[in-house]
Amino acid sequence: QIHLVQSGAEVKKPGASVRLSCKASGYTFTTFGITWVRQAPGRGLEWVGWISAYDSNINYGEKFQDRVIMTTDTDATTTYMELKSLESDDTAVYYCARVRAGSGFFDHWGEGTVVTVSS
Amino acid sequence: QAALTQPPSASGSPGQSVTISCTGTSGDVGGYDFVSWYQQYPGKAPQLIIYDVDKRPSGVPDRFSGSKSGNTASLTVSRLQPDDESNFYCASYAGSNNVVFGGGTTLTVL
Repeated sequence: QIHLVQSGAEVKKPGASVRLSCKASGYTFTTFGITWVRQAPGRGLEWVGWISAYDSNINYGEKFQDRVIMTTDTDATTTYMELKSLESDDTAVYYCARVRAGSGFFDHWGEGTVVTVSS
Repeated sequence: QAALTQPPSASGSPGQSVTISCTGTSGDVGGYDFVSWYQQYPGKAPQLIIYDVDKRPSGVPDRFSGSKSGNTASLTVSRLQPDDESNFYCASYAGSNNVVFGGGTTLTVL
């Protein structure tokens, strides 16, 4: 069975950084990529970016390009997302999801990590 | 990248069909056959129900179907059931390794 297990909830102050993790299991990690999607309270889904575990290709959404870094540890089958210079608008549930090579869809999702930015 | 346009709400009675639209541009929906749809219940992670415009993952009932015409994609839910009441999101590949989501549609089963 395919599982994406995400790290626990975070509370951060404005200006701080947060690093989230997403551990994959149940499939060959290096033949897929991982995407990150966030959802602010009561709002829709917003694509943050994705990273390939097979060729290290990375692409960030234009809105996040200056503040986000995604990395993978293939030995640990874990993907990380660091978001810097946090603002209250970054308060959201952050999901990781598996993405198939050459596709634009996300077929398995983690349970989400709640990030709260508050002074 | 502007979000794709979905109606905020849709509704139908049990047994009826409802169609949700997702309008983009030639740079996303109209330019690629990489439209996907996700169903999300409150407090839960989204689930993929349609990919590549009209394909269903294993386990998704055939009551869910997708299509596309020009810059608009559509999701049809046939034979509505009470359990279909949830939020639906479309997404499209938008070139240069970018993806854009729609704003979401809340489906109410009357």
